[in-house]
Amino acid sequence: EAGVAQSPRYKIIEKRQSVAFWCNPISGHATLYWYQQILGQGPKLLIQFQNNGVVDDSQLPKDRFSAERLKGVDSTLKIQPAKLEDSAVYLCASSFRADRNTASEQYFGPGTRLTVT
Amino acid sequence: AQSVSQHNHHVILSEAASLELGCNYSYGGTVNLFWYVQYPGQHLQLLLKYFSGDPLVKGIKGFEAEFIKSKFSFNLRKPSVQWSDTAEYFCAVLSSGGYNKLIFGAGTRLAVHP
Repeated sequence: EAGVAQSPRYKIIEKRQSVAFWCNPISGHATLYWYQQILGQGPKLLIQFQNNGVVDDSQLPKDRFSAERLKGVDSTLKIQPAKLEDSAVYLCASSFRADRNTASEQYFGPGTRLTVT
Repeated sequence: AQSVSQHNHHVILSEAASLELGCNYSYGGTVNLFWYVQYPGQHLQLLLKYFSGDPLVKGIKGFEAEFIKSKFSFNLRKPSVQWSDTAEYFCAVLSSGGYNKLIFGAGTRLAVHP
């Protein structure tokens, strides 16, 4: 079974530039997550999709971050414009399904390491 | 808001030493708890999980964790570590208010010396 795929693996940009990350979840997984992991911290959930709908984006900085999952499969996360503090690893994860009453194991991709200079 | 605390940021051990990594969570209700591991250059992967039942949970590679509700703790243990256990370990709790939303601790970086 193929795992969660992410690209690119590394990206270096200057502040105020824009950047996009791509994620392809495990086939059949309805729920997709984007996490931000700043150096020295644990991953923090940015946004969660159930199929192509957003179920949690409470910690997404919506003035500069956006994400979509138009066909309920792969997803893109965009930052525009980037700031120095956006330097982090962006992790994508997927799970078979998720609802308020059921815990479902999340599978993580390799991440994209973003450096903003 | 729920939170997870991991007591040690860096741990250095020699091979065959015993390991215990501390994890405390803040929520007092029903909890689902996890330990994830990230080996150098690899992605996060699940080590073990607790949903309900026996509070002593066994995971992969000889790891185990004990859920102690009265102490709000879910410490990770291994009786004898190997060099290959060098990795970063994250404790996480499933948020009570979200849809399968994980809240992670800051992580513990373990280095095992031969």
